[in-house]
Amino acid sequence: GENVEQHPSTLSVQEGDSAVIKCTYSDSASNYFPWYKQELGKRPQLIIDIRSNVGEKKDQRIAVTLNKTAKHFSLHITETQPEDSAVYFCAANNAGNMLTFGGGTRLMVKP
Amino acid sequence: EPEVTQTPSHQVTQMGQEVILRCVPISNHLYFYWYRQILGQKVEFLVSFYNNEISEKSEIFDDQFSVERPDGSNFTLKIRSTKLEDSAMYFCASSEVPGANVLTFGAGSRLTVL
Repeated sequence: GENVEQHPSTLSVQEGDSAVIKCTYSDSASNYFPWYKQELGKRPQLIIDIRSNVGEKKDQRIAVTLNKTAKHFSLHITETQPEDSAVYFCAANNAGNMLTFGGGTRLMVKP
Repeated sequence: EPEVTQTPSHQVTQMGQEVILRCVPISNHLYFYWYRQILGQKVEFLVSFYNNEISEKSEIFDDQFSVERPDGSNFTLKIRSTKLEDSAMYFCASSEVPGANVLTFGAGSRLTVL
């Protein structure tokens, strides 16, 4: 089955700096790669996703890149703000309708 | 914005007791899911459900677990005889179509087994 690895597990940045979180996946049939933000005690919220027919997608300060050959995808957050502090999860789908999540990255943005 | 609603928000139960967690998916969604998150860990897939039957399940979803859509709106997860290790946040989710489509998660039901 699909295996998703996520790095780093914790990331501390200064407000205004950029943050990058990386994920790798194992199933070459995966074609959908969402990123979720989870604040303490809350539900995972989709922040951006990318499908396998594109290599990059951007939404304001957030961007995601996908390298299908290498089977890795990354989340980039620019001009980080304290409210970006949360746990971020990457995920990849399988051929059916199941998402496999990475282990999560705790992002701390210091004011 | 349409939401997935879950009840109860928190349930405390004794080991060995049966628990039913309830979910109301978004009305035009056809695919329903249960995921689990043990405190401080990643979100794990349990089961997906479409057209009144299970379409996929993980190794976690053993014989102690079952799902049901008893009427046109509710989607339930039953744990027959709870164990301490079942303590977790259980998230229901739904999507319009499977696979490469957006999952909308509910707020979760926290289960504490004593």
